[in-house]
Amino acid sequence: GAVVSQHPSWVICKSGTSVKIECRSLDFQATTMFWYRQFPKQSLMLMATSNEGSKATYEQGVEKDKFLINHASLTLSTLTVTSAHPEDSSFYICSAEPASGATDTQYFGPGTRLTVL
Amino acid sequence: AQSVAQPEDQVNVAEGNPLTVKCTYSVSGNPYLFWYVQYPNRGLQFLLKYITGDNLVKGSYGFEAEFNKSQTSFHLKKPSALVSDSALYFCAVRDIGNTDKLIFGTGTRLQVFP
Repeated sequence: GAVVSQHPSWVICKSGTSVKIECRSLDFQATTMFWYRQFPKQSLMLMATSNEGSKATYEQGVEKDKFLINHASLTLSTLTVTSAHPEDSSFYICSAEPASGATDTQYFGPGTRLTVL
Repeated sequence: AQSVAQPEDQVNVAEGNPLTVKCTYSVSGNPYLFWYVQYPNRGLQFLLKYITGDNLVKGSYGFEAEFNKSQTSFHLKKPSALVSDSALYFCAVRDIGNTDKLIFGTGTRLQVFP
């Protein structure tokens, strides 16, 4: 149980284009989902917290107009990297917190590797 | 401010030997403590957590962790390491009632040699 998927697992795009990453909780409902960014050989950095049906809360230093988050349902959150640039290349990981049961635990997706050329 | 420290970048251990991966934390409120494991190019897998109750917590794949309030530590342990345990391990803390965010340590790479 508590499986989170991400799609795509990797993506390569040209500079200036937009990329959408999907995060789905497969066997539970998640009122809250989180988006993290991980640089090579570094820890995870929280980018934003998204709650179903409301606007995401962004961490300090994260551009909300560049990283658009939509939490449309209790099982789906999307992160859109707009006008991507090479410095946006990174490993993006989402997590989801169950709406019931182990509500104190985040379950993570497998990650999406974004490479911007 | 809440923080997590993993003092060792890498831990090397021979297969069959016990392993310990260290973690210390700092929070202003009550800590919820977690261990996650990450395999190459993969997301994080939940191993175990401490919320309240017994200081010794047992988790997945034979791992356990001991919560020590006086030393503000939550070290991950396993009695007998396997080569397949080789991965990157992250300790994390949630400062419940304060920021409530999950803050990660910098990670410790565990290498188990045959």
